[in-house]
Amino acid sequence: DVKVTQSSRYLVKRTGEKVFLECVQDMDHENMFWYRQDPGLGLRLIYFSYDVKMKEKGDIPEGYSVSREKKERFSLILESASTNQTSMYLCASSAPPSTDTQYFGPGTRLTVL
Amino acid sequence: GESVGLHLPTLSVQEGDNSIINCAYSNSASDYFIWYKQESGKGPQFIIDIRSNMDKRQGQRVTVLLNKTVKHLSLQIAATQPGDSAVYFCAENFSGGYNKLIFGAGTRLAVHP
Repeated sequence: DVKVTQSSRYLVKRTGEKVFLECVQDMDHENMFWYRQDPGLGLRLIYFSYDVKMKEKGDIPEGYSVSREKKERFSLILESASTNQTSMYLCASSAPPSTDTQYFGPGTRLTVL
Repeated sequence: GESVGLHLPTLSVQEGDNSIINCAYSNSASDYFIWYKQESGKGPQFIIDIRSNMDKRQGQRVTVLLNKTVKHLSLQIAATQPGDSAVYFCAENFSGGYNKLIFGAGTRLAVHP
């Protein structure tokens, strides 16, 4: 079974703090993704990576950066957290063309005070 | 931009009945579609997928139907159970675009005893 894990289930940070969200997958998938999920807005893509050290902006990259130093790990960084970044953050991975399905982690619920 | 949409935000069904969740997609070039189930506090879980060269695919108690003529996707759940209560998302993938998925906002399925 594909397993995607995220470093924290719940996180509370203060405005202006630097925040790191970590994601690890154990299936040697090339592609990894970071989404945020907000009520009524569905899943919105922040950044994705299709290889080590490669990254591409998604639909809402502002205020975020990412790092992919190893194939299994994809980090999302909030350089200076703001209250409007309070959200559920979901990581996913996939391995096209063998599988286009994205497999998700359990999510990190981040609250910025 | 083009996006996946859902017809019904909330669907209430009686335990044992069949459920049908609908989804409209707008990108006629999309060639792969997925249904996800998301329970409260968890990440989306893969249910079933279908490629554009098929119009029906069956799994365990679930069936996905694809009508490319009207760009419509549906998920049928047979003999709905309380454990099926969740939010269901459809997603479309255009294989020419880095395996990015476009998600709808989701439909909440509520199963009543």
